[in-house]
Amino acid sequence: QSVLTQPPSVSGAPGQRVTISCTGSSSNIGAGFDVQWYQQLPGKAPKLLIYYNINRPSGVPDRFSGSKSGTSASLAITGLQAEDEADYYCQSYDSSLSGMVFGGGTKLTVL
Amino acid sequence: QITLKESGPTLVKPTQTLTLTCSFSGFSLTTSEVSVGWIRQPPGKALEWLALIYWDDDKRYSPSLKSRLTITKDTSKNQVVLTMTNMDPVDTARYYCVHNRGIGAAGIMGFWGQGTLVTVSS
Repeated sequence: QSVLTQPPSVSGAPGQRVTISCTGSSSNIGAGFDVQWYQQLPGKAPKLLIYYNINRPSGVPDRFSGSKSGTSASLAITGLQAEDEADYYCQSYDSSLSGMVFGGGTKLTVL
Repeated sequence: QITLKESGPTLVKPTQTLTLTCSFSGFSLTTSEVSVGWIRQPPGKALEWLALIYWDDDKRYSPSLKSRLTITKDTSKNQVVLTMTNMDPVDTARYYCVHNRGIGAAGIMGFWGQGTLVTVSS
């Protein structure tokens, strides 16, 4: 059972917009700790996609965007492409655990 | 260019101790606010943070695994070693080494190794 809750799967057609939610609690996201998002392509290591809630590392397309409000965060992907098919993980810090915590991951299927 | 690479046994027996080495390049573990950590992922499951060691030798461990983990660094060799005692089949996972920048909650895991798959079986 992951500390951060994500939907197991989402899907969308090419060109569409999808969002992935990440719900935490008062000891992590709700406490003001930042959220990161990672993309894991099939058979590959995770890759940093969004950091400090809204920032994209260089090289990450602006089709990917992050937001945070209250005890939740979201990742939005616009203009879906086949290459976006992957698992996506949110991550934050938890004060009661004094460490990093991850969501359970969301599998994105491009129809 | 930052790179990290994990090495260690692919198969360990239950109750044995696992020792994994992360060899890195492109940064120094003597630089302020830099750390190296370990993340694992059981087959088909989610990521789990294990441990982190900072440039100043401060160490952080997952509370659920703290009694079994030890993380150390050798800055002269650009290596970080993770040991996990009393291995069990549920510890079967791909173990990733990560470069982390920032302290505590401000940490960002911006670079990952390719991971090494460890199977626990008799």
